[in-house]
Amino acid sequence: AQSVTQLDSQVPVFEEAPVELRCNYSSSVSVYLFWYVQYPNQGLQLLLKYLSGSTLVKSINGFEAEFNKSQTSFHLRKPSVHISDTAEYFCAVSDPARQLTFGSGTQLTVLP
Amino acid sequence: ETGVTQTPRHLVMGMTNKKSLKCEQHLGHNAMYWYKQSAKKPLELMFVYNFKEQTENNSVPSRFSPECPNSSHLFLHLHTLQPEDSALYLCASSQDAGARADTEAFFGQGTRLTVV
Repeated sequence: AQSVTQLDSQVPVFEEAPVELRCNYSSSVSVYLFWYVQYPNQGLQLLLKYLSGSTLVKSINGFEAEFNKSQTSFHLRKPSVHISDTAEYFCAVSDPARQLTFGSGTQLTVLP
Repeated sequence: ETGVTQTPRHLVMGMTNKKSLKCEQHLGHNAMYWYKQSAKKPLELMFVYNFKEQTENNSVPSRFSPECPNSSHLFLHLHTLQPEDSALYLCASSQDAGARADTEAFFGQGTRLTVV
């Protein structure tokens, strides 16, 4: 079985400050890792994913995440956040035989 | 707009009512999913349909009954629900289920269900 832990349920941060949203997973096999974002009153949208190759993956809006196999982590970072980044962020893991398993989510609130 | 449409967006129902949630995808995908999103909890996968066949039922109570008449439509029929069933119900689709675990899932905006 696989599981995902998002350690912080709420992360408030001021605009233009850096942010890190933490994600740890457990699985007995190789996995694929994802971050999804949910804006208010919307469904989830894929933000970025790690499948193989370079352990650092980036999104088009400035977020990046690094796969760390030894620490079983896939933390999401952004060096400078905007008000529009306010949303809930979900980390998810999938192994080659199963559907996505999601974490409980982290609410990122960017303050002016 | 992600190509996955859910109706209604909001639903209030009594515990003795029968209602249905509808999901439609225009992406040509073969797999469709129902998820339950409750506050402060991980998304719970409820049902998976792949090529119209149900491939997964995660111990969901029988008061939730899915139906997948074709690859583009997915329904969730509700009857005699409990207040603890109040949640956001999300539909998703992907190209295929199971064989391609790296395939992106596309989500609808969800139906906010309140059981009174």
